[in-house]
Amino acid sequence: EPEVTQTPSHQVTQMGQEVILRCVPISNHLYFYWYRQILGQKVEFLVSFYNNEISEKSEIFDDQFSVERPDGSNFTLKIRSTKLEDSAMYFCASSEEVSGGPSETQYFGPGTRLLVL
Amino acid sequence: AQSVTQLDSHVSVSEGTPVLLRCNYSSSYSPSLFWYVQHPNKGLQLLLKYTSAATLVKGINGFEAEFKKSETSFHLTKPSAHMSDAAEYFCVVSENFGNEKLTFGTGTRLTIIP
Repeated sequence: EPEVTQTPSHQVTQMGQEVILRCVPISNHLYFYWYRQILGQKVEFLVSFYNNEISEKSEIFDDQFSVERPDGSNFTLKIRSTKLEDSAMYFCASSEEVSGGPSETQYFGPGTRLLVL
Repeated sequence: AQSVTQLDSHVSVSEGTPVLLRCNYSSSYSPSLFWYVQHPNKGLQLLLKYTSAATLVKGINGFEAEFKKSETSFHLTKPSAHMSDAAEYFCVVSENFGNEKLTFGTGTRLTIIP
């Protein structure tokens, strides 16, 4: 069964450093998402992406964050200058196109646990 | 705006007994509702979904949920708990009309007592 994959599974970085989290969505999916889960808190939506553009973003997704689909398979989340409060589990998700729009069902990857020191 | 409330942060049941995980939602439109499960050190796996078809939805591993519009509830049940059901369960809502954002509940940790 096809699945969303994410690399790395764990990343430790120093405050102020840039990190790039990578995701490979399911191959025929066209809609891509990032969510995060700070330890002990709920999963929060960050951003959705379609046709090489951001379609929606949350208040969390400020100028320090960016997303990119650099090739036909990868979908990345970049944090330019990490802060302590960016420490969280980051989930990538994807969904297929149905009747010209996104399916309501999103498939999630296993997550990247980011620790900012 | 959409929101989800999971009424129990932690539920413990004995193996072989029924499971009930409670979820109430709020939505301005006709929502889609989901239950996702997260096993330790694993990703989020879709358990089942409601998308305006049958109100009783069957999912994987013997779980089911019933959409009750009058009660704005979408409780998750299973007749007989198994040790492998121990995990974190998230109730999730998505408003339709092009809103792709999923809104998660705070999660319910299910513990199975041998």
